[in-house]
Amino acid sequence: GENVEQHPSTLSVQEGDSAVIKCTYSDSASNYFPWYKQELGKRPQLIIDIRSNVGEKKDQRIAVTLNKTAKHFSLHITETQPEDSAVYFCAASLFGNEKLTFGTGTRLTIIP
Amino acid sequence: DVKVTQSSRYLVKRTGEKVFLECVQDMDHENMFWYRQDPGLGLRLIYFSYDVKMKEKGDIPEGYSVSREKKERFSLILESASTNQTSMYLCASSLLDTNQETQYFGPGTRLLVL
Repeated sequence: GENVEQHPSTLSVQEGDSAVIKCTYSDSASNYFPWYKQELGKRPQLIIDIRSNVGEKKDQRIAVTLNKTAKHFSLHITETQPEDSAVYFCAASLFGNEKLTFGTGTRLTIIP
Repeated sequence: DVKVTQSSRYLVKRTGEKVFLECVQDMDHENMFWYRQDPGLGLRLIYFSYDVKMKEKGDIPEGYSVSREKKERFSLILESASTNQTSMYLCASSLLDTNQETQYFGPGTRLLVL
């Protein structure tokens, strides 16, 4: 089955700087890659996703890049703000298969 | 807005007890999922269901069973709770639509097994 590895497990950045979280996956057939954000004490929520036919996708300060050859994808957050502090999970799934395999999470802390 | 609710936010049970965790969604979603969340291990899929009375094992089904008698309700059952099942349990739901894979999560149930 699919295996998703996520790094780093913790990340601290100064407010205003950029943050990058990286994930690798094992199944070359995977073609859907979402990112979920979980604030302290709250439920995970989708923040951005990308499909295998796209190399990059942006939504305001958040972007995701995908390298299918290398089987890795990354989350980029620019101009970080205190409300970006949370645990971020990457995931992967096969097209048409709603089952997601999640990474182990990255705890991002924004330092004021 | 999609609403996914779970029957309890916190539960304390004894070893050997039978435990029921319930999840209800109000958006007519076909897919429902049960995960457990542990520090450093992320979200691990226990069971999922694509339809009423249908279930499939996830990555860590041992010690658990599920029931889906109605489309909106998905129950997770711990037949005989053990201390290693102390965890946060998250339910999620999504549409059976390959262009709308977003999973919507419930608030979670923190289970402590003594």
